[in-house]
Amino acid sequence: KNEVEQSPQNLTAQEGEFITINCSYSVGISALHWLQQHPGGGIVSLFMLSSGKKKHGRLIATINIQEKHSSLHITASHPRDSAVYICAASGGGADGLTFGKGTHLIIQP
Amino acid sequence: GAGVSQTPSNKVTEKGKYVELRCDPISGHTALYWYRQSLGQGPEFLIYFQGTGAADDSGLPNDRFFAVRPEGSVSTLKIQRTERGDSAVYLCASSIQRNTEAFFGQGTRLTVV
Repeated sequence: KNEVEQSPQNLTAQEGEFITINCSYSVGISALHWLQQHPGGGIVSLFMLSSGKKKHGRLIATINIQEKHSSLHITASHPRDSAVYICAASGGGADGLTFGKGTHLIIQP
Repeated sequence: GAGVSQTPSNKVTEKGKYVELRCDPISGHTALYWYRQSLGQGPEFLIYFQGTGAADDSGLPNDRFFAVRPEGSVSTLKIQRTERGDSAVYLCASSIQRNTEAFFGQGTRLTVV
């Protein structure tokens, strides 16, 4: 069974700061997903990646397959980035996604 | 519709009652997943449908939980004899096929009192 670990669990930062959220998993996967969940809202897919790096606006996701590790970066953070960020693994012998517990991010003005 | 739709958005029920939660996936998506998210936790896998068949129901916690997808589109998650521990947000997601990008609904918040 795949174990997906995220750190930190909680992160509070000032507007403009560079944010990094880390994710590690225990077994080989087909892809790593980064998801965003706002309070009371549904889950939105940010990235799905199986190698290298992807960028969308101020968000960057990287993955190192050999080290079984992925990071999500937010540049020039803004209060509207405040949300729970969840990493999830697909493949690795499981149907569906195996989720981390999420990182609760608060960006203060 | 344009996205995954779940109804109802909120459901309060008494312990011991039967509930049905509905998921309407994106048209053409053959893969459909149900997850359960307890407060402060990441979602946990319940069941995966490929078309009409439940390809993997290993995440269903016990035999009080059952799900169907009779025509390969809309799915219903059914919970019998609800217990207070069943209170959670039930999320549905669909994707074009297995292990591709998943699109999530807004979830159904179930409260058993």
